[in-house]
Order: sequence, then structure tokens, then C-alpha cells
Amino acid sequence: DGGITQSPKYLFRKEGQNVTLSCEQNLNHDAMYWYRQDPGQGLRLIYYSQIVNDFQKGDIAEGYSVSREKKESFPLTVTSAQKNPTAFYLCASNPGSGSYNEQFFGPGTRLTVL
Amino acid sequence: RKEVEQDPGPFNVPEGATVAFNCTYSNSASQSFFWYRQDCRKEPKLLMSVYSSGNEDGRFTAQLNRASQYISLLIRDSKLSDSATYLCVVRPSGGYNKLIFGAGTRLAVHP
Repeated sequence: DGGITQSPKYLFRKEGQNVTLSCEQNLNHDAMYWYRQDPGQGLRLIYYSQIVNDFQKGDIAEGYSVSREKKESFPLTVTSAQKNPTAFYLCASNPGSGSYNEQFFGPGTRLTVL
Repeated sequence: RKEVEQDPGPFNVPEGATVAFNCTYSNSASQSFFWYRQDCRKEPKLLMSVYSSGNEDGRFTAQLNRASQYISLLIRDSKLSDSATYLCVVRPSGGYNKLIFGAGTRLAVHP
């Protein structure tokens, strides 16, 4: 089955630790995205990648880093510099350019900082 | 002002009711419009795209008013399974497929 997988589903981190969230897709999509969702707020874009070996900052990139070494993988690292990392993190992908391309989402990772 | 604004609700309606959600967006150059559905603690999933002429998918009807920068979603004959948060999503003009998400409107359908 084609889709997007994220792991782990739940993640607990101590303050001061870096953690990496996994995102894998087998949809052969060029573009991939990372969002965070906080209660009562819309999804906010952290980073996006339109093609392998290229990525761009979104609206709230501070304290996060990404890599895109393979088309199917777009891991997100939440660094200790992120002031308020507790949130629901969603990875998405879409085929690429086009006016009406929907984004397909993974099941998300819920990160809690203890 | 938020780029995409929605009434957070909740809208509490009985089964069989008709309910409408509204959404406004601030960027007049926005190109594409969508309604996504998000169940509690799950990922968003596309419900339907919104076209300029309006479009219908079963019990769901979406309308777009570009002049007023307003999008609506109408749900007829509500089912218990329609209970979810409905996200209004806008794609501004630009070089990549960036989407702007509203915070969502929560719908609770009761027996």
C-alpha cells in the first residue's frame, strides 16, 4: 500500500535533548513538508523540500533542522534550541508542482518534552 | 489578522441536520482552496477541493466567493460519523505548493 509513515507515534524528550522524527513515503512524491500543530491553532509549516537534496525554511524553522538525502525520506530534528517543542508533528507530501495538488499526511508524531 | 479564519465552534447538531461552516481568507491572490477533515488526534485528510463554480460531493457542498474572499462548506443529513474538525485550507499564489491552514471548526453530531 502506498502512503506516508511517521515514527514514533509518541515521543518523550527531556529538556536539552535533540530528537529526530522519521518520515517516509512510497508515493514517489517529489515534495515533502513538515508541520506542527498546537491546540486551537492551524498547522504551521516548519520546513519543506521540493526535490531531493534541497529544502527551504517554512514559517517557524527556528530550532529545527531537516535533510533530504533520499526522495522517500525527510527526517526532522527538533533541537534543544526549540523553545516550546511539545506539539503534534505532521509530515506531508505531494507530487510536486500543480495548482490543485492536495497534500497527503502521515499519521503524525506527538512529541512531549518532560 | 490571520490569513485563514474560521469559527472554532463547536457546532453541536442532531443527526439529520444541515450545518454550514464559513471561512475567510486574507490573500486575494490565493489560487486553490480545500476543505480537510481531521478526526481527534489524527492526521488531516482531504475532504474536497473547492472550485470557483461551487461543487458537490454527496452530502457535502463547497462554495467559493472570490469577491468576498469567503469559502463555505455545507453538510446535509449529518451523520454521527461526520463528527470531526473541518479545516479550511488555502493555497496562496507562489512558486511552491504552500498551504495555509485555518485552525478548524469542530462539529459534534449527536443522536
